[in-house]
Amino acid sequence: NAGVTQTPKFQVLKTGQSMTLQCAQDMNHEYMSWYRQDPGMGLRLIHYSVGAGITDQGEVPNGYNVSRSTTEDFPLRLLSAAPSQTSVYFCASSYLRGGGGLSYEQYFGPGTRLTVT
Amino acid sequence: TQLLEQSPQFLSIQEGENLTVYCNSSSVFSSLQWYRQEPGEGPVLLVTVVTGGEVKKLKRLTFQFGDARKDSSLHITAAQPGDTGLYLCAGYNNNDMRFGAGTRLTVKP
Repeated sequence: NAGVTQTPKFQVLKTGQSMTLQCAQDMNHEYMSWYRQDPGMGLRLIHYSVGAGITDQGEVPNGYNVSRSTTEDFPLRLLSAAPSQTSVYFCASSYLRGGGGLSYEQYFGPGTRLTVT
Repeated sequence: TQLLEQSPQFLSIQEGENLTVYCNSSSVFSSLQWYRQEPGEGPVLLVTVVTGGEVKKLKRLTFQFGDARKDSSLHITAAQPGDTGLYLCAGYNNNDMRFGAGTRLTVKP
């Protein structure tokens, strides 16, 4: 199993450009999510999906769109990049753990380092 | 303001020392996870705790979930240079995962 894969690994954009960050998982996980990680801020949830065709907003959704047409793929779109979106982006996928409580144990991809100039 | 506050933010110790890092919140979580992240990589799950008062051990690492499910601690016994990394706690409720800012641990040989 490849686990969670992300492309590209690095990207530089100019302000106003658009792009899509790709994320794929081969573990048949229902739950997928996107985070951004900034120094001193930890990881902040952008969007998540509990299954194909279902998406919802996280803590910091503005400026980002997502869709989930298949279980495996969960792309993140930046419609008009801004310098404030310079960050490291992580995609994660999870299964639902039963027996004693709900928890999502997430498996993270290697990240995409995005710079917007 | 972070929903989960981790302390200390930075910790530098000698090999063989013990240490404890803390993860505190005013919110109740249905579960809490601890992750370790190496530079240039994604976080890797260490443990999930789901029951108030739960204690889990992973070799030299001991994790505790507070009775009220608002806080957690990670204790490392006899730290080794391989323990160096960023330790993140994350609380989960209703499909929403919130992370602390992390504790950056350096263990010197």
